[in-house]
Amino acid sequence: KAGVTQTPRYLIKTRGQQVTLSCSPISGHRSVSWYQQTPGQGLQFLFEYFSETQRNKGNFPGRFSGRQFSNSRSEMNVSTLELGDSALYLCASSQGAASGRENEQFFGPGTRLTVL
Amino acid sequence: SQQGEEDPQALSIQEGENATMNCSYKTSINNLQWYRQNSGRGLVHLILIRSNEREKHSGRLRVTLDTSKKSSSLLITASRAADTASYFCATVPNRDDKIIFGKGTRLHILP
Repeated sequence: KAGVTQTPRYLIKTRGQQVTLSCSPISGHRSVSWYQQTPGQGLQFLFEYFSETQRNKGNFPGRFSGRQFSNSRSEMNVSTLELGDSALYLCASSQGAASGRENEQFFGPGTRLTVL
Repeated sequence: SQQGEEDPQALSIQEGENATMNCSYKTSINNLQWYRQNSGRGLVHLILIRSNEREKHSGRLRVTLDTSKKSSSLLITASRAADTASYFCATVPNRDDKIIFGKGTRLHILP
């Protein structure tokens, strides 16, 4: 099975711009989660999508949004970029069982976003 | 707020020695997981331990869980250079689907 893929791998933007990141989960996985990783804050949960619905959301401003398509691929969007948005954005997929929550996550390689 | 906190923040040991990392958390959990991250890459799942389990093994990895102390430890035996990475614990709180990661332990294996 192919792993989780994320595009693009690297991105440079300037303040005020917006950006869209893409994630393709492992085939058959219905849950996609997004994380922001910075040296100062570590891994911060952004949101999780399951069957095209946002199931959980972290404590990020409304500039951060996402969606999931019927094929489970997901995108996240950040509008009005700020310098502090520079980070590694990680996507993870899982089978997303409704119960049990043995939620092993399979991570993609990440998108390194730099905001100038 | 961070659910899991790893200790130590950084650890350097000689190749062949054992490495122990600890994780403490705040609320009751359904399960706890350990992940490894090589520099700037995605995380790799290592092992999952359920709240009703006390110890689990996977190859050179041994994980313990003490729910009364809300803590877990990850032991890597006979360390190798390839074990150099950051290690994160992640908790799945009861009645909550979110996985919450700690800030990680940076492990460096010296040749």
